[in-house]
Amino acid sequence: NAGVMQNPRHLVRRRGQEARLRCSPMKGHSHVYWYRQLPEEGLKFMVYLQKENIIDESGMPKERFSAEFPKEGPSILRIQQVVRGDSAAYFCASSPPAGRTEAFFGQGTRLTVV
Amino acid sequence: DAKTTQPTSMDCAEGRAANLPCNHSTISGNEYVYWYRQIHSQGPQYIIHGLKNNETNEMASLIITEDRKSSTLILPHATLRDTAVYYCIVRALNTGTASKLTFGTGTRLQVTL
Repeated sequence: NAGVMQNPRHLVRRRGQEARLRCSPMKGHSHVYWYRQLPEEGLKFMVYLQKENIIDESGMPKERFSAEFPKEGPSILRIQQVVRGDSAAYFCASSPPAGRTEAFFGQGTRLTVV
Repeated sequence: DAKTTQPTSMDCAEGRAANLPCNHSTISGNEYVYWYRQIHSQGPQYIIHGLKNNETNEMASLIITEDRKSSTLILPHATLRDTAVYYCIVRALNTGTASKLTFGTGTRLQVTL
């Protein structure tokens, strides 16, 4: 059973470009979480999604950031008009439907804005 | 979710047991205790979780006090590869939907020769 897959592992964008980060959950998992980790800082929650539904977006910046988890395909975290401060590691985690509560993380996407 | 308190850092000799404490005095009845670790800048790794009974798996043991206000993660035979930041997290499970995992600052465990 493959783990949580994130791609790309490394992404370089110029200021003002868009960044798209993809997360494929583990097989059978229908919940996805996105986290951001700035250099030398802790993991900050961004958003929690079920398929076609946002459960909790309390950690998402109000502008330029959006997330989706469609019925088919991976979850996408989209950052529009990136700025240097968006440079960070972005991790996603997935968990099974109700009844089991472990969440497993991918290896992250390291975004560098130049 | 309830707040947790952990020591900032701990050292442990290789081969010895590492006992990592966590205080969660405001935990409520539907909240589980989870432990994760992050080795260098890798993705966080799930270790173990529990509600009120002690739990053991191939990685570690989790001891939860009877009043559930604190817990201890035990790595029975620490190795250098166990050097990481360990996070104790309290997480609610409501009517089948889990809440987010909220990471604090964790305990930086350094395993030494």
